[in-house]
Amino acid sequence: AQKVTQAQTEISVVEKEDVTLDCVYETRDTTYYLFWYKQPPSGELVFLIRRNSFDEQNEISGRYSWNFQKSTSSFNFTITASQVVDSAVYFCALSERGAAGNKLTFGGGTRVLVKP
Amino acid sequence: EPEVTQTPSHQVTQMGQEVILRCVPISNHLYFYWYRQILGQKVEFLVSFYNNEISEKSEIFDDQFSVERPDGSNFTLKIRSTKLEDSAMYFCASRGDRGQETQYFGPGTRLLVL
Repeated sequence: AQKVTQAQTEISVVEKEDVTLDCVYETRDTTYYLFWYKQPPSGELVFLIRRNSFDEQNEISGRYSWNFQKSTSSFNFTITASQVVDSAVYFCALSERGAAGNKLTFGGGTRVLVKP
Repeated sequence: EPEVTQTPSHQVTQMGQEVILRCVPISNHLYFYWYRQILGQKVEFLVSFYNNEISEKSEIFDDQFSVERPDGSNFTLKIRSTKLEDSAMYFCASRGDRGQETQYFGPGTRLLVL
């Protein structure tokens, strides 16, 4: 069974600080996909990034970067130079290629509060 | 940019009543999903739908729930006899074919059962 754990329930930072969100996952599948979604106060779920299990290259996209470590089953996400608009709940999620419907399993979310 | 839409944005109903939540997935997508999020909790998978049939469902998706794609564009979730514990935000999502693994979510329908 797939499982995603986000140990940090809430992080509070001052604007311009970097924020790193931790995510640890469990899966038996050899091919899987990892995602980060953002849920702002308005409630919608906004896709941010996706990483395939067969591609461990870490990337940067604007102020977002991620660190995928297959050996430790971790998929951490960093916001550089945080802004007030980054205040939201961030969800890490996993889908397995072998699953019938490729459902997403979400972690519990990390609430990020960026203070001016 | 194409997006998933959901109606209504809010629905209030009495316990025992039937509700139908509607979704219009992104037009060329093939896989459709419903998730729910009880207030303050994580997002939970309900059901996935492909090729006009359910491909997977969770334990939450019992006989009170059903899904349908009545035409080429709408994807609906019906709750036959609502319970207080069905109060939640319901999200629809869709994705493209194999290789297009990212699910895109609608804005959600907030359901309140009184």
